[in-house]
Amino acid sequence: GAVVSQHPSRVICKSGTSVKIECRSLDFQATTMFWYRQFPKQSLMLMATSNEGSKATYEQGVEKDKFLINHASLTLSTLTVTSAHPEDSSFYICSARGQSYGYTFGSGTRLTVV
Amino acid sequence: GESVGLHLPTLSVQEGDNSIINCAYSNSASDYFIWYKQESGKGPQFIIDIRSNMDKRQGQRVTVLLNKTVKHLSLQIAATQPGDSAVYFCAENSLGSARQLTFGSGTQLTVLP
Repeated sequence: GAVVSQHPSRVICKSGTSVKIECRSLDFQATTMFWYRQFPKQSLMLMATSNEGSKATYEQGVEKDKFLINHASLTLSTLTVTSAHPEDSSFYICSARGQSYGYTFGSGTRLTVV
Repeated sequence: GESVGLHLPTLSVQEGDNSIINCAYSNSASDYFIWYKQESGKGPQFIIDIRSNMDKRQGQRVTVLLNKTVKHLSLQIAATQPGDSAVYFCAENSLGSARQLTFGSGTQLTVLP
């Protein structure tokens, strides 16, 4: 079946630094990737949708200059949290969708900004 | 600052009993629905899906029911096991939504021994 690998699973960074999260589709080509953020005891909130080779589409209220998304190939999308602050601490989850597959989720990244 | 969020609805069932988790949606254009299971610290795991041209679909120990009239979706888990303890989310996809999923608020299922 379709597998999405997300890395790292946990990261702690200092306030003001940047963190990059990778999302890879291992056995299929992901034409579209989605990035979600999830706070404790809450649902997944879509941050942005990215298509390979084009700019990401951000949801209302999500700062595109702060959450940089790059979908450089059909198997890799990255989310970079720039100048991270404690309020950016959250669980970030990617999802990939290919032509023949449904929505496959990564295992998530727990970001803690100290 | 501290974020204030909604507390997840909870459901506690005895091991071996059947569980029913409900979900309401508001978009009448939604045509595809998925149930996900999310364990603590992990990403959502696909359980079962259903398209709007169906009202029932069965999997292994799980059944999804769709009532389009009242925009209601339910997940039934038969013979609930301790490993079923998790948060369950329904998700919907709507025509013209760029094929993105919209998630419901989730339900915390706890299986009691």
